[in-house]
Amino acid sequence: DTEVTQTPKHLVMGMTNKKSLKCEQHMGHRAMYWYKQKAKKPPELMFVYSYEKLSINESVPSRFSPECPNSSLLNLHLHALQPEDSALYLCASSQRRTGELFFGEGSRLTVL
Amino acid sequence: GIQVEQSPPDLILQEGANSTLRCNFSDSVNNLQWFHQNPWGQLINLFYIPSGTKQNGRLSATTVATERYSLLYISSSQTTDSGVYFCAVEQGVRNQGGKLIFGQGTELSVKP
Repeated sequence: DTEVTQTPKHLVMGMTNKKSLKCEQHMGHRAMYWYKQKAKKPPELMFVYSYEKLSINESVPSRFSPECPNSSLLNLHLHALQPEDSALYLCASSQRRTGELFFGEGSRLTVL
Repeated sequence: GIQVEQSPPDLILQEGANSTLRCNFSDSVNNLQWFHQNPWGQLINLFYIPSGTKQNGRLSATTVATERYSLLYISSSQTTDSGVYFCAVEQGVRNQGGKLIFGQGTELSVKP
């Protein structure tokens, strides 16, 4: 069982919709991440939050808006997405001491 | 930035066979992890191994940091070992949420 929980597992949305992906961890980790993965490709880093502050933004378009309400929660707000944004979105958290990363099961997003 | 190369890109094995997957990286790292991505997309943490050797059941890993490579050994392979194996490295400042860079992966198929 994963200790990083993502919801929803699957999401289908239109280009004019607003939706959110949610991630929760209870391992006491203080860094949390969003990765995007297209089919047959490795995960690509989108955002890093460290101690609830955004520390890395990999030049992600503003239609993706991250939020870290507290040390256990991470959201990714989606608005006016394009069909090419369809992908698997992975949340992760890491140990403070080592940086070892633990992933959730992912949210598979389809934009119509 | 750091380059991560994995080989081979694809591997087909008969059940019971052994295999070695390789990860080369172009610069010194303070974090190296091996992941298995199952057919449902979940990334499972196999090893955190910036240096040295670790074993977990039929899997073991060795990282020679001075020579900038890591090896993942799978012995007595099973069909459930099928999936994509990723090596990922990090150069960032530890404890502050760094940037884990993934190799392109090795896609393993184990036939019964």
